[in-house]
Amino acid sequence: AQTVTQSQPEMSVQEAETVTLSCTYDTSESDYYLFWYKQPPSRQMILVIRQEAYKQQNATENRFSVNFQKAAKSFSLKISDSQLGDAAMYFCAYRGETSGSRLTFGEGTQLTVNP
Amino acid sequence: ETGVTQSPTHLIKTRGQQVTLRCSSQSGHNTVSWYQQALGQGPQFIFQYYREEENGRGNFPPRFSGLQFPNYSSELNVNALELDDSALYLCASSRGQSSYNSPLHFGNGTRLTVT
Repeated sequence: AQTVTQSQPEMSVQEAETVTLSCTYDTSESDYYLFWYKQPPSRQMILVIRQEAYKQQNATENRFSVNFQKAAKSFSLKISDSQLGDAAMYFCAYRGETSGSRLTFGEGTQLTVNP
Repeated sequence: ETGVTQSPTHLIKTRGQQVTLRCSSQSGHNTVSWYQQALGQGPQFIFQYYREEENGRGNFPPRFSGLQFPNYSSELNVNALELDDSALYLCASSRGQSSYNSPLHFGNGTRLTVT
């Protein structure tokens, strides 16, 4: 079974600074996607960024980038130039080639952005 | 493009009762999946529906059941409610039965409280 672990229950960052959220996973599948979702108080899960396991290049979406280390099964999220609107719960998630629409989520990291 | 909508937003039920939660999938999406998110935890996969049939299930008892309709909207039914069923229930839609690279779009969830 696949597992996703986020070891940082809470993180904080100063506005305009950079923060990195950690995630590790375990799987025996050869092809899969990894995701970072943001869940603000509105409760909706918002896709931040995704990475396909076969792509060696790390994904980037504006201020958000990932450090994907396939051999180490590590998938961290870097948020640059943090903004107050980035404050939310962040979830790392896994979806494998046999998963269908099933996502396996980590426990989440609550990010606080200080002005 | 209409997003995923869920109703109701909040619900309070008594232990032993039955509840029905509803979800309208995003336009063009034919797969619906449901997740349970307990307070302070990551979402857990309940099941997935494609073309009106359940075709994937997580570790949830049979009293959790669902339906998908020809217009791809969906219902989640929970019988014999227990206190531990109190959670946020998220619906997500996507295109295709097993396209694990097809992005999931989430609704805002239904907050269920069982007293």
